[in-house]
Parts: sequence; C-alpha cells; structure tokens
Amino acid sequence: GENVEQHPSTLSVQEGDSAVIKCTYSDSASNYFPWYKQELGKGPQLIIDIRSNVGEKKDQRIAVTLNKTAKHFSLHITETQPEDSAVYFCAVSGGKLIFGQGTELSVKP
Amino acid sequence: DAGVIQSPRHEVTEMGQEVTLRCKPISGHNSLFWYRQTMMRGLELLIYFNNNVPIDDSGMPEDRFSAKMPNASFSTLKIQPSEPRDSAVYFCASSLAVKGEAFFGQGTRLTVV
Repeated sequence: GENVEQHPSTLSVQEGDSAVIKCTYSDSASNYFPWYKQELGKGPQLIIDIRSNVGEKKDQRIAVTLNKTAKHFSLHITETQPEDSAVYFCAVSGGKLIFGQGTELSVKP
Repeated sequence: DAGVIQSPRHEVTEMGQEVTLRCKPISGHNSLFWYRQTMMRGLELLIYFNNNVPIDDSGMPEDRFSAKMPNASFSTLKIQPSEPRDSAVYFCASSLAVKGEAFFGQGTRLTVV
C-alpha cells in the first residue's frame, strides 16, 4: 500500500522566516497531493493541493512543489506569522487519502 | 452548509461497552472517510465509502470495529466491545470525489476507561 513519509516532525522558526516541510511517497499511481493544517481541538483543514499534471502551485504565502519522478513534494510558507503555528499534514491519494505523520510548526514572534 | 457534523464530540465509556460514533457528511458529497488520530500513529484511515458503498476497509483494526452508511447523509462507526487502546480522536471527512478536497468534522474524542 501507499507509504507517506513527512519531515521534519517539528519545526521552529522566527516570525518572518520561511518554513519548508517535505514529504515522500511510494505509489507512483498517486496523483493528488493535498496539504492540511490542524489547529488544536479541530479537524484538519485543506490549505493547498496539487495534482500530478502540475509542478508548482502558489496561493499568497503558501506554495507547493511536486516532483513526480522523485516522488516527493514540499510545502513552502513564506513570511511566517504566529497564526501559522499548527500541525501540518501532507497527504497522498491514488484512491484513498493517506496522511503523513505531521509536522508541528511553531512560529516565534 | 454546516460542514461535516460528528456526534458526540466527547465520549467516555467503560471497557467492554459498545460505542457508536455518528457522522453527517456535507450534502452532495459522495465519498466519506473515517480516520483515527493518536499521538503514536497519527491519522490512520480506517474505512472509506463511495456512493454509500464501502470501498476499502483494510484500515479497520479488528472485527470489533464496524462501519455503515445506510444512506448518503449518515454514517456510523461502531466499536463493540470497546477497549482502552481504542481511546483516540475519530474523524469523519467527506468529499465530492474520492480524489478531491476532503472536509473534516470536528472529531469525536473517545476515552475508554
């Protein structure tokens, strides 16, 4: 079955710096790659997604890049703010949606 | 739309008791997922339905777990009998298509004592 590895597990940055989270996956048939943000006591919420026919997608301070050949994709957050502090999950779907282990991002003011 | 609605939000039960978690997906969505979240294992997919039909239940940990979707607007996850290691947050999510944006409910925090 699909295996998704996410790194790092924790990430601490200063406000205004950039944050990068990386994921690798195993199933080459996967073609949908969303990123979710989970705040304390809430369910995960989609922040950006990318499909396999696209290499990069950007939405304001958030961008995702995908390398299908290498089977990895990354989340980039620029100009981080304290409200970006949360747990971020990558996910992969070739049918069912499988999540990475999560990255706890802490943005220090 | 109110989003995905799960009930109850919190459940505390004694070992051996039956537990039923409920989910109302977003109207019009035809895929529904049940996940379990723990610190040790993260977000695990238990089962997912497409058009009310179970497609993949390979994540269901044991026969003590069962899920149903009798119609497009309701699903249940049942644990019988419950055990302390079942303590976790259980999420339901729905989407327009299997490979589309999944919207999550607020989750049910289950504690089995």
